[in-house]
Amino acid sequence: DSGVTQTPKHLITATGQRVTLRCSPRSGDLSVYWYQQSLDQGLQFLIQYYNGEERAKGNILERFSAQQFPDLHSELNLSSLELGDSALYFCASSGEGDRSYGYTFGSGTRLTVV
Amino acid sequence: AQSVTQLGSHVSVSEGALVLLRCNYSSSVPPYLFWYVQYPNQGLQLLLKYTSAATLVKGINGFEAEFKKSETSFHLTKPSAHMSDAAEYFCAVSLNTGGFKTIFGAGTRLFVKA
Repeated sequence: DSGVTQTPKHLITATGQRVTLRCSPRSGDLSVYWYQQSLDQGLQFLIQYYNGEERAKGNILERFSAQQFPDLHSELNLSSLELGDSALYFCASSGEGDRSYGYTFGSGTRLTVV
Repeated sequence: AQSVTQLGSHVSVSEGALVLLRCNYSSSVPPYLFWYVQYPNQGLQLLLKYTSAATLVKGINGFEAEFKKSETSFHLTKPSAHMSDAAEYFCAVSLNTGGFKTIFGAGTRLFVKA
């Protein structure tokens, strides 16, 4: 157990639907990062939150949004889902001054859009 | 632009043989460099990191990596491969973009033959 908890582990949904992925960071970590992993795109950075505020944005589609709550858990919302959104979605967390610490990853949510 | 290149998407070695996974980076500032391992159906796990201290970094499971500034490389090695080392390995560079974003390489899948 890495200390980063992601739910659900698996999600199957239809095109056009909306889903929410949840992440609880490791205790004490203020930063949460979301990554998408697919066979053709590899590991793509989506977005980072630090202590409730958006800190950095990557290749995140406009159909996707995220937030970090006061208790530091984060949610990634995916809407108007397309077949191409099928992927593994990882959450990672790190501490303050985290450039040198590395990340702690959760075990991911596997999203299948049918 | 900063980037990470992993040479070879697949590497196959025999059990007991040397493991060498190659990583080159480009960065306009001194980088922080990481290697992560991903076992099937799991999240990424930090193997080791370079943070401008010793250039030879030792990690978990007998892996080590050497930072060579002149070659902009951070190759991962292990003297003797075990079957349990079969996994995907990711090299990553951490950037201070106001969000400490980490960029991951495309990954190298290591196969270990008996």
